[in-house]
Amino acid sequence: DTGVSQNPRHKITKRGQNVTFRCDPISEHNRLYWYRQTLGQGPEFLTYFQNEAQLEKSRLLSDRFSAERPKGSFSTLEIQRTEQGDSAMYLCASSLASSGVSSYEQYFGPGTRLTVT
Amino acid sequence: GNSVTQMEGPVTLSEEAFLTINCTYTATGYPSLFWYVQYPGEGLQLLLKATKADDKGSNKGFEATYRKETTSFHLEKGSVQVSDSAVYFCALSERGAQKLVFGQGTRLTINP
Repeated sequence: DTGVSQNPRHKITKRGQNVTFRCDPISEHNRLYWYRQTLGQGPEFLTYFQNEAQLEKSRLLSDRFSAERPKGSFSTLEIQRTEQGDSAMYLCASSLASSGVSSYEQYFGPGTRLTVT
Repeated sequence: GNSVTQMEGPVTLSEEAFLTINCTYTATGYPSLFWYVQYPGEGLQLLLKATKADDKGSNKGFEATYRKETTSFHLEKGSVQVSDSAVYFCALSERGAQKLVFGQGTRLTINP
């Protein structure tokens, strides 16, 4: 178990370009989450998957954002037509959900820092 | 909606001092409560948790007690070390909901 990994760790892009981030969760975890963290703030929830199904999306996730988890393993987060306001740390987390457990610990990756110039 | 409010930072203490970081929450139901820590250059790590009223979470000398009557989950440590320097986040998760709601974080610096 190597933990949650995210690639790339840093991304600098010009406004209007598209970017894609990848998250590889802990291998046996069936839930995967995306959060966004801006400087000096706590992470904010964007979306989550159970296996390959995207079950919840935040209002923060505008039409320019799309997330996938095609085989229930790794996930990608794509931002189209990036804006300067998209500059943030994008965090991925995973957890193992099982019946009878009401509180799930989420394990976080190191994040991808996006800078839009 | 659900929210978490943490004490304003940054907090600077000397080694071996007593630490308290205040956290209060607003929730419609009975949430689970968490403290996460972010060391420089690293991802968020779960420090401790409590899932029901009067539960005490503890880890690495840190403690927090789930106080339903005051809607609080204050983080304490009796004697801090330089290695405790990090950003600490209080968070909640509503029962049946999957997302974590975080406070804004408190940066802690411990001087030798």
